[in-house]
Amino acid sequence: GAVVSQHPSRVICKSGTSVKIECRSLDFQATTMFWYRQFPKQSLMLMATSNEGSKATYEQGVEKDKFLINHASLTLSTLTVTSAHPEDSSFYICSARGRRGGYNEQFFGPGTRLTVL
Amino acid sequence: QKEVEQNSGPLSVPEGAIASLNCTYSDRVSQSFFWYRQYSGKSPELIMSIYSNGDKEDGRFTAQLNKASQYVSLLIRDSQPSDSATYLCAVAGTALIFGKGTTLSVSS
Repeated sequence: GAVVSQHPSRVICKSGTSVKIECRSLDFQATTMFWYRQFPKQSLMLMATSNEGSKATYEQGVEKDKFLINHASLTLSTLTVTSAHPEDSSFYICSARGRRGGYNEQFFGPGTRLTVL
Repeated sequence: QKEVEQNSGPLSVPEGAIASLNCTYSDRVSQSFFWYRQYSGKSPELIMSIYSNGDKEDGRFTAQLNKASQYVSLLIRDSQPSDSATYLCAVAGTALIFGKGTTLSVSS
């Protein structure tokens, strides 16, 4: 499958700090990137969708001023969790969608586990 | 509201058996369907995609699609303990719409 990298894989930070997570599609151009969050034993929750060069579209209930998304190129998207608090502790997963074999397929990065103390 | 429904399980099968995972979706015009496997603490991994009615086979995995019944399934033949994971059914829209996942446990 296609490769999507995510960095860092794990971060522990103090309450009130900001955390930046990078997501890169390594072997295809991602027309669209998605950011998901997953709490323990729960399903994936879509936070936002971003297209290269455009503002991200946030799902209902996701604060756009808290979760800043930048999709600077067809291979890079970043999520910044601003002023993180313990309730933001979660598993954040990016996903990139691109065209392969005539169809759009979506691949996931390995995820970033965020712990806010 | 577009929905994807899966039985949460757990589905338990002995090693070597066939595991059958089922999924229904609500949006009749959906065209693209995917199965992802997620191990505990890891991100989802795409294992099958299917776009046309019928069966699609890839190794031990067979995906089946019936658009008239709005039904997608995944069969895993010769199940192995390493297949124990949560299997997510997803339907393509603006973004993928995921079911809650079915937990599969394969006992040796």
